[in-house]
Amino acid sequence: GNSVTQMEGPVTLSEEAFLTINCTYTATGYPSLFWYVQYPGEGLQLLLKATKADDKGSNKGFEATYRKETTSFHLEKGSVQVSDSAVYFCALIRDSNYQLIWGAGTKLIIKP
Amino acid sequence: EAQVTQNPRYLITVTGKKLTVTCSQNMNHEYMSWYRQDPGLGLRQIYYSMNVEVTDKGDVPEGYKVSRKEKRNFPLILESPSPNQTSLYFCASSAGDRGYYGYTFGSGTRLTVV
Repeated sequence: GNSVTQMEGPVTLSEEAFLTINCTYTATGYPSLFWYVQYPGEGLQLLLKATKADDKGSNKGFEATYRKETTSFHLEKGSVQVSDSAVYFCALIRDSNYQLIWGAGTKLIIKP
Repeated sequence: EAQVTQNPRYLITVTGKKLTVTCSQNMNHEYMSWYRQDPGLGLRQIYYSMNVEVTDKGDVPEGYKVSRKEKRNFPLILESPSPNQTSLYFCASSAGDRGYYGYTFGSGTRLTVV
């Protein structure tokens, strides 16, 4: 079946550090992949997406590349800020019913 | 402003007392969905609707009902709430593009059943 696996958190970094949050997936066909972000006390927001192999999604300094050969969609940012502290969710779309399949989420803590 | 609006944001209720959480979107989206978020379990889909009068069960539908009489509204109904339905609930919507361009989420409803 379809599934998404994310690295466990929390991930704690200092400001201006390089960020990688790993995400791998299992799916039939060619799912679209997403990163959503949830800031404290808020709902989820779409951060970036990629709809086919080798696509790179980017937004707010974050990037992720759809790697079909490794079934991965790792989230990266070159220099994190305190304001990036949030929970990050990797997800894919199940074609049959448009349902999002979610990873467990990774909490990111950025210290000044 | 394009948005999904949920009400209420916070609700404390007693076991067995029927309640409704409302969800409304102003983007003319066809697809709407309800999720619950629990620590350690992530987000799980309760029900979804692909269009007016078309609804279907998600992964955890037991104890919930939904209706889609109008395109913009998708209320979540708990006929007889129980403590195990204490959770954070999110409504989401997407255009008829099968969600490929992403979903818009409401701000959430924190429900406590005592």
